[in-house]
Amino acid sequence: SSELTQDPAVSVALGQTVSIACQGDSLRNYFASWYQQKPGQAPILVIYGDNNRPSGIPDRFSVSTSGNTASLTITGAQAEDEADYYCNSRDISGAFNWVFGGGTRVTVL
Amino acid sequence: QVQLQEAGPGLVKPSETLSLTCTVSGGSISGYYWSWIRQPPGKGLEWIGYMYYSGSTNYNPSLKSRVTTLLDTSKNQFSLRLNSVTAADTAVYYCARGLDYADYARIDSWGQGTLVTVSS
Repeated sequence: SSELTQDPAVSVALGQTVSIACQGDSLRNYFASWYQQKPGQAPILVIYGDNNRPSGIPDRFSVSTSGNTASLTITGAQAEDEADYYCNSRDISGAFNWVFGGGTRVTVL
Repeated sequence: QVQLQEAGPGLVKPSETLSLTCTVSGGSISGYYWSWIRQPPGKGLEWIGYMYYSGSTNYNPSLKSRVTTLLDTSKNQFSLRLNSVTAADTAVYYCARGLDYADYARIDSWGQGTLVTVSS
């Protein structure tokens, strides 16, 4: 079982906005990082810390945190955003262990 | 730009030891957390553990008793050994480079992944 909980799947109409939630007690003290994974490919980092995007990641990706929930928002979803998204953070043990959420499949309609 | 490449057997027998090596090119070993992550077919990502460039390690508590990692700075390689494998260890194994700060971690480079099947 994962200490970070994500909804299994969400869908969004092309050009609309979708948010993906990641819930876990460690998120009260520690930011999540988010990864996009397309079929047959390795994950890539899309956003980390307090809204930091690696070079090449479009600014339609943003994050917010409230209490024990981090949310990844895609504003104006594009067809190429269809993928699995995973959040990642530390666990709550205090032992600096990392943990992934179960992943959310985003379908762009 | 750093590149990571996993190498190792694609088939391991039950109860034996899974061994993988990751070669790092285009970047330094120093300053990073060198990590192993796996993904069973059709399932999500599972963090296995990391080794800091200084040699300290941290492992997933559920795998800790079976995992060993090594870092060879002279070859720019790090390795994973997982012993007493079962079919449940069948997965795509990724090596990755990470950073861990006071209030967030990030994994900024991933290998392409290698499928390891546990079967007799």
